[in-house]
Amino acid sequence: EAGVTQSPTHLIKTRGQQATLRCSPISGHTSVYWYQQALGLGLQFLLWYDEGEERNRGNFPPRFSGRQFPNYSSELNVNALELEDSALYLCASSLNGKDAKYEQYFGPGTRLTVT
Amino acid sequence: RKEVEQDPGPFNVPEGATVAFNCTYSNSASQSFFWYRQDCRKEPKLLMSVYSSGNEDGRFTAQLNRASQYISLLIRDSKLSDSATYLCVVNSYDLGIGAGSYQLTFGKGTKLSVIP
Repeated sequence: EAGVTQSPTHLIKTRGQQATLRCSPISGHTSVYWYQQALGLGLQFLLWYDEGEERNRGNFPPRFSGRQFPNYSSELNVNALELEDSALYLCASSLNGKDAKYEQYFGPGTRLTVT
Repeated sequence: RKEVEQDPGPFNVPEGATVAFNCTYSNSASQSFFWYRQDCRKEPKLLMSVYSSGNEDGRFTAQLNRASQYISLLIRDSKLSDSATYLCVVNSYDLGIGAGSYQLTFGKGTKLSVIP
């Protein structure tokens, strides 16, 4: 069974530009989560999508947004990029987010560098 | 107070050693608990869920103490391949938007280096 996939692997942008990151969950998973992992810091929760709806978001500004498509894949958009947005962006999926017992499985991440 | 706290390490141990990681969490309403491992510049991988009764998977044993809000991971007979950062993860209910959801909170991780 295929795991969570993310694209691109690496992304280099300049300050002020927009970045779009993509994620495909494990087949059968309806929930997709986005996390940011900046160098030397822990994983910070960004967004949760389930059944096409945004269900929760972390403490990030509105220029971080996304959506989930009918096939449950998702994209994360980061507008007006700032240098501190440089990080590893991880996508995870689970069967659903409404039950605590379901584990999340991570994709390999997209490494975003803002220059 | 940080929500999930771990000793950052690094823990440098010889092959074959037993090593224990500890973690404390602040949200007493947390529902489920996990250990993930993360290799350098890679994604976190689920190692094991942690149950109140404690659970074991081969060389790995996880324990949960809800009263003390404390989670532990024990690795016996350490292998070189165990070298990684171990993340303590807590799943807590968050009101969020609309119906609410469970949200994972990650500790910053404990780095383990197993030395030949």
